[in-house]
Amino acid sequence: KNEVEQSPQNLTAQEGEFITINCSYSVGISALHWLQQHPGGGIVSLFMLSSGKKKHGRLIATINIQEKHSSLHITASHPRDSAVYICAVTEYGNKLVFGAGTILRVKS
Amino acid sequence: DGGITQSPKYLFRKEGQNVTLSCEQNLNHDAMYWYRQDPGQGLRLIYYSQIVNDFQKGDIAEGYSVSREKKESFPLTVTSAQKNPTAFYLCASRNGDGDNSPLHFGNGTRLTVT
Repeated sequence: KNEVEQSPQNLTAQEGEFITINCSYSVGISALHWLQQHPGGGIVSLFMLSSGKKKHGRLIATINIQEKHSSLHITASHPRDSAVYICAVTEYGNKLVFGAGTILRVKS
Repeated sequence: DGGITQSPKYLFRKEGQNVTLSCEQNLNHDAMYWYRQDPGQGLRLIYYSQIVNDFQKGDIAEGYSVSREKKESFPLTVTSAQKNPTAFYLCASRNGDGDNSPLHFGNGTRLTVT
């Protein structure tokens, strides 16, 4: 079993829909990261959080430390949001562990 | 603009040849990392360096080598000993390995070995 599990693996949405991507982890962490990988391959850091909730534009990330769970929400989704979304955790000792990613496709 | 540059974007090699992937950053970051990405799997750490002239093996270092002669540069050599070298390789950096500063990634190099 992977230490970081994401769901769903693939997600297709219609433009304008509210999207949720989930991440569960099984180890103690000091931080959780949400990353976005576009078709060209480059990766951008969206959020780094250790508690509560963060918001940036149409993106919202939440984390529940007790339940070892985080969600990434996209409001009013747009085709340009189509990408792979990756959850990663910083374990104690600073090791980064990555989930396999969620492939999101938003259709117009 | 500050960032990480990986080159080339696509690389093709024959089996048995060593190949070196370039990674340069102008972010003045101390820590640099090499990851390998395979379809359906999370990124896996090959090597990392926290300071010039020092580097450590990651989870899948066999068949790879690195150097860190300058703060800005962290090249990765894929040797002929790597059994399955075809993959997407990502270089990353951050401002110190001891804290939770965000990672900055390059755009990756896709290596195909035939």
